Amino acid sequence: QSVLTQPPSASGTPGQRVTISCSGSSSNIGSNTVNWYQQLPGTAPKLLIYSNNQRPSGVPDRFSGSKSGTSASLAISGLQSEDEADYYCAAWDDSLNGRYVFGTGTKVTVL
Amino acid sequence: QVQLVQSGAEVKKPGSSVKVSCKASGGTFSSYTISWVRQAPGQGLEWMGRIIPILGIANYAQKFQGRVTITADKSTSTAYMELSSLRSEDTAVYYCARQSPPHDYSRFYFDYWGQGTLVTVSS
Repeated sequence: QSVLTQPPSASGTPGQRVTISCSGSSSNIGSNTVNWYQQLPGTAPKLLIYSNNQRPSGVPDRFSGSKSGTSASLAISGLQSEDEADYYCAAWDDSLNGRYVFGTGTKVTVL
Repeated sequence: QVQLVQSGAEVKKPGSSVKVSCKASGGTFSSYTISWVRQAPGQGLEWMGRIIPILGIANYAQKFQGRVTITADKSTSTAYMELSSLRSEDTAVYYCARQSPPHDYSRFYFDYWGQGTLVTVSS
C-alpha cells in the first residue's frame, strides 16, 4: 500500500486550473525531494516535475510543483485535453531500510 | 538520446521464476543506476529495487528482499530483474527506469523509462 496519499480523481474543463495534492510524512516528503510522473493510458510513466518544482526540458510551463512540510502539490494551469492521464507523486522514504515510494495516483479527466 | 528497451511479455506458472531484461543505449551504461518498478493491472506504481552497474551493487525494497535479484552486464549494457516464487499477485507490467542523478541515494528521480514488460502468472 502506498505511503503517499493522493485524491483518486480530479477534473476540469479546458483552460481551467487543476491542483493535485500529495500527503506524506517526515520520512519521505518531509526529508526528501518530490517528483511527479504523468502516465498516459497504456504507456510508461513520464517525468513531469523533479526536485519539488523543476520541469524537465520539453514539459510545458503549465505544469508546476510545490512542496511544504510533508505535503506537495502539482498544478496544471490552462488544462488541455492531452493532459487527461494518471499522475503520481513520488519520493524516497527513509523507513524500512529505504525505498522509493509512489503516491496512490490521481486520474485527471478533462470534461 | 537514452533508450531503455525491455524484453517481451512472459507467461509463467505459479512457483516459477521470470527474468526480464532492459537494454540501454545512447549513454554510458556503467554510470547509470537502474531501478525496477512494477504496476499491477489497474493499480499504482511500486518500486522493487535498483542496481549501480559500475559497482555491481543492488539494493531492494524490503517487500521483495529474498525474492528479487537485480543484476547488470556492463559488456552488453543490459540490466536484469529476476523474480522468483511467482504468485498470481505478481502479474504486472514491469518497468526499468534510469535514475538521475545516478549516485544520489535519496534525492533522485527517473528520467528515462523502458516500455514495460507484462508478466502474467497463471496456472
